[in-house]
Amino acid sequence: SYVLSQPPSVSVAPGKTARITCGGNYIGGKSVHWYQQKPGQAPVVVIYYDTDRPLGIPERFSGSNSGNTATLTISRVEVGDEADYYCQVWDRTSDHRGYVFGTGTTVTVL
Amino acid sequence: EIQLVQSGAEVKKSGESLKISCQGSGYSFATYWVGWVRQMPGKGLEWMGIIYPDDSDVIYSPSFQGQVTISADKSVSTAYLQWSSLKASDTAMYFCARMYGSGSYSDYWGQGTLVTVSS
Repeated sequence: SYVLSQPPSVSVAPGKTARITCGGNYIGGKSVHWYQQKPGQAPVVVIYYDTDRPLGIPERFSGSNSGNTATLTISRVEVGDEADYYCQVWDRTSDHRGYVFGTGTTVTVL
Repeated sequence: EIQLVQSGAEVKKSGESLKISCQGSGYSFATYWVGWVRQMPGKGLEWMGIIYPDDSDVIYSPSFQGQVTISADKSVSTAYLQWSSLKASDTAMYFCARMYGSGSYSDYWGQGTLVTVSS
């Protein structure tokens, strides 16, 4: 089955840039979605289809996807960005289809 | 306003059966896929499966195939997740979520249902 790998944690100072990677075999050929989950809350999509941002999500959140790595970038990080972040793809092969989540990354704002 | 409202927390014993629900409102429930996601205590998100309420087409994650049953009743705009015999390892938070489209992202989520199974 398809595997998505994320770093367990990323630490960043307020005002700096956080980059969260999501590694998968030829992930550049798939559409990647990113979710933010704060403690005790349901996930919220922050980037969909690699680069699109839902209404209400700050422009500080951006995404890219190429080769074997997708990246979520959070610019000018704020304390309120502290959360767990998960990437997700739809994996379709000749005999299987389904969603896959990444392992998740905890972002800590120092 | 689009909402997914899940049933309340459950405390069960190993071996018991359970069915939790997810009721959608504010949109055409039958024509959007609804998925279920497990989150064990302190762990990440795990995709369990999705259902298309209009025809009850279901796709299971291989990890959950045979372990749970996903169903839906479009007449009451509700999706269900059920177990026939719970295990302590089923203790987790379960979220339902609407898929924007087939193979697409989840744009609306339920508030989660905490299931606690004691041995």
